[in-house]
Amino acid sequence: DADVTQTPRNRITKTGKRIMLECSQTKGHDRMYWYRQDPGLGLRLIYYSFDVKDINKGEISDGYSVSRQAQAKFSLSLESAIPNQTALYFCATSDLRARTDTQYFGPGTRLTVL
Amino acid sequence: AQSVTQPDIHITVSEGASLELRCNYSYGATPYLFWYVQSPGQGLQLLLKYFSGDTLVQGIKGFEAEFKRSQSSFNLRKPSVHWSDAAEYFCAVARLGTSYGKLTFGQGTILTVHP
Repeated sequence: DADVTQTPRNRITKTGKRIMLECSQTKGHDRMYWYRQDPGLGLRLIYYSFDVKDINKGEISDGYSVSRQAQAKFSLSLESAIPNQTALYFCATSDLRARTDTQYFGPGTRLTVL
Repeated sequence: AQSVTQPDIHITVSEGASLELRCNYSYGATPYLFWYVQSPGQGLQLLLKYFSGDTLVQGIKGFEAEFKRSQSSFNLRKPSVHWSDAAEYFCAVARLGTSYGKLTFGQGTILTVHP
């Protein structure tokens, strides 16, 4: 089984709808991240969390919110989706105890906002 | 602020040919450096990483990368490319000794392999 899972894998929605993307991990890592990927822009950090009680904004957090329900679960919400939020979204995890803090990525969620 | 540049958006090579993907970073201190690969429809997989020691690092799938501080570069190489190497490759940099390992990614390089 995959260490980092994301649901759904694909989603098509309409402008103004509320969307939640979910991420679960079995790696036992304390840090979790949400990124979005756009062609030609690489990955950009939306939010990150050190533990259940710690949530931090990344470089492009406007229009997004997150919830860390447990150490293993980190959800990303789009309160009112807009077309320019169409992108590939990745969840990642890392281990505070690891010296290099290497991040491990889920398979991604492709979101299309019409 | 740290930044990463991958000058080549798209590279095409023949199967069996050698490969070098370029990565330049901007950062005031010694960074952690990473190469990730994204196969079509897949997430990102770590190929290799550098954080200290030997500047030539070996990764999975026969890849290697060399950290050159004087050139602020961390280029990825493979002596003989296989068709299965066709993918998008991302270079990333993270800060050392900070409260979290924030990754800054380059724009990515798409590799096409001709038979």
